[in-house]
Amino acid sequence: DGGITQSPKYLFRKEGQNVTLSCEQNLNHDAMYWYRQDPGQGLRLIYYSQIVNDFQKGDIAEGYSVSREKKESFPLTVTSAQKNPTAFYLCASSIGNANEQYFGPGTRLTVT
Amino acid sequence: GEDVEQSLFLSVREGDSSVINCTYTDSSSTYLYWYKQEPGAGLQLLTYIFSNMDMKQDQRLTVLLNKKDKHLSLRIADTQTGDSAIYFCAEKDGGFKTIFGAGTRLFVKA
Repeated sequence: DGGITQSPKYLFRKEGQNVTLSCEQNLNHDAMYWYRQDPGQGLRLIYYSQIVNDFQKGDIAEGYSVSREKKESFPLTVTSAQKNPTAFYLCASSIGNANEQYFGPGTRLTVT
Repeated sequence: GEDVEQSLFLSVREGDSSVINCTYTDSSSTYLYWYKQEPGAGLQLLTYIFSNMDMKQDQRLTVLLNKKDKHLSLRIADTQTGDSAIYFCAEKDGGFKTIFGAGTRLFVKA
């Protein structure tokens, strides 16, 4: 089965700790994205990558970092510099001009 | 900057049609999308329309696009309780980004 996986589904961390969220896809898509979702708000773009070894900041990149060493993988690190990290994080991938995005199931991060 | 707006809630009776509306500001939008999100899950692409089209129909779903007014709607015929979810309108800007609205929560009453 092709798809996008995110792990873990729930993650708890203490304030001041960095944490890395996993995103893997076997759809052979070139582009991958990380979004943050807060209650009552739309998705906000954190980072995106159009191709391996290349990525760009989205609208809210501060306090986050990514890497794209393999086509299948696009991990997101939430650093201690992110002032309000508790949120639902969604990873997506896309291919083609229509940019239809396929989403993973999400990771809910809680930082206390 | 670009913005996508939609009403926050819609309540319908099972069997009725649902119409979810959306407005956007980017006149260079190329594609417009409707996504569905069930509780605690990721988004699922329902349908999309190219900006030079007025209408697209896919089974129970009908998308209408009024490019002059920058208005997009999603009609769900014969709405079922399983259609209860949050529906996101989104548009692809002239570059590489997709801009999402805040989502419309659809309640279907049995």
